[in-house]
Amino acid sequence: YELTQPPSVSVSPGQTARITCSGDALPKKYAYWYQQKSGQAPVLVIYEESKRPSGIPERFSGSSSGTMATLTISGAQVEDEADYFCYSTDRSGTKRVFGGGTKLTVL
Amino acid sequence: EVQLVESGGGLGQPGRSLRLSCVTSGFTFTDHAMHWVRQVPGKGLEWVSGISWNSGSKAYADSVKGRFTISRDNAKRSLSLQMNSLRGEDTAFYYCAKDSWAELGTENFFDSWGQGILVTVSP
Repeated sequence: YELTQPPSVSVSPGQTARITCSGDALPKKYAYWYQQKSGQAPVLVIYEESKRPSGIPERFSGSSSGTMATLTISGAQVEDEADYFCYSTDRSGTKRVFGGGTKLTVL
Repeated sequence: EVQLVESGGGLGQPGRSLRLSCVTSGFTFTDHAMHWVRQVPGKGLEWVSGISWNSGSKAYADSVKGRFTISRDNAKRSLSLQMNSLRGEDTAFYYCAKDSWAELGTENFFDSWGQGILVTVSP
């Protein structure tokens, strides 16, 4: 099972960044999103498709439609530059899979 | 504050063994399943293995099944990964990750991560 993400997304500060993740099981399974800054461990930014953990800025949001989940960063900041990985499982729930990651550049 | 601290990494030879450990604090250990996730430097994330709160359920990625064994010691709040028959493709950062729930379920996720430890497999 595979989750497909674009390799890179680039926006200017203050613009809206959208990172997509496509997978056949996403109509039935939640997508989760992790942010990984250079040299650091991943951090959960969105869970169960659209929920935000405490401490994550409101500019981060998630949505899903059909086989595609989207992470939206409204008014991206320079400090949001990072790699973003989506995560989900196949329909049976036995294959735990990450997307290939998207490098977000904000400059 | 949740803390996950990995140890035991380093250089391992092909065909030999290494054992990783993860010591935890800041949460009720027995309320959560635990996992290992790895990342080749500069590449993506790969789930490796998971274990339920009471060790009743264990799961492995196909790439490590039969070679790696996950275990936990609830009294010591620790998680381990015994890595046997090492291969070059096992070279990666290994992260200890806390599950959102106690059992290995289909809608679980990783809500906290350790800082990772590097394993290098080379002659």
